[in-house]
Amino acid sequence: QKEVEQNSGPLSVPEGAIASLNCTYSDRGSQSFFWYRQYSGKSPELIMSIYSNGDKEDGRFTAQLNKASQYVSLLIRDSQPSDSATYLCAVNFGNEKLTFGTGTRLTIIP
Amino acid sequence: GAVVSQHPSRVICKSGTSVKIECRSLDFQATTMFWYRQFPKQSLMLMATSNEGSKATYEQGVEKDKFLINHASLTLSTLTVTSAHPEDSSFYICSARDRRQGFNEKLFFGSGTQLSVL
Repeated sequence: QKEVEQNSGPLSVPEGAIASLNCTYSDRGSQSFFWYRQYSGKSPELIMSIYSNGDKEDGRFTAQLNKASQYVSLLIRDSQPSDSATYLCAVNFGNEKLTFGTGTRLTIIP
Repeated sequence: GAVVSQHPSRVICKSGTSVKIECRSLDFQATTMFWYRQFPKQSLMLMATSNEGSKATYEQGVEKDKFLINHASLTLSTLTVTSAHPEDSSFYICSARDRRQGFNEKLFFGSGTQLSVL
């Protein structure tokens, strides 16, 4: 069974601080990894994709991938109240489908 | 990014009726679309993979006779919930992959359909 695991939270972070979201996955051979943001009642929105070990930065967002340890993380710098949402980790296990984690609810406290 | 249009955004129906949800890729061709279902405070669960011109592939536990999927063109896939019951009430989301993005291409989601069966 190929699985993606996330801490459901809620994770509360003060405005302006760094929010750190983590995700582990079960298949060492996985190649592509994604972070989606989902506001309540809305569909997911792609935030970051990462395919190789290391860090990938895009504005205030940094995705980190460690294939040996089978985890992928998302850092949000200078957190804003608008970042409050559920963040979904998704992994492509090589079969064209995406498997999603249960999501982490993030709340940014003004 | 690529745009995927889904409608209706919300539907309320009586138990026993059928509901059709449409998903369109507006600025790209999608040979494959995916249909997900999401219950409150839970993650997205893949229901089926819709392939243009062929039968959909359903995930284990998803009733193919209840959730009819048609992918008649490169830009349109439909999901019909037949004889809907209250337990089918959920948030249904379609997605498509834009192959212009490359091999590890990303999924783009429609805006979702909130189905409420009374």
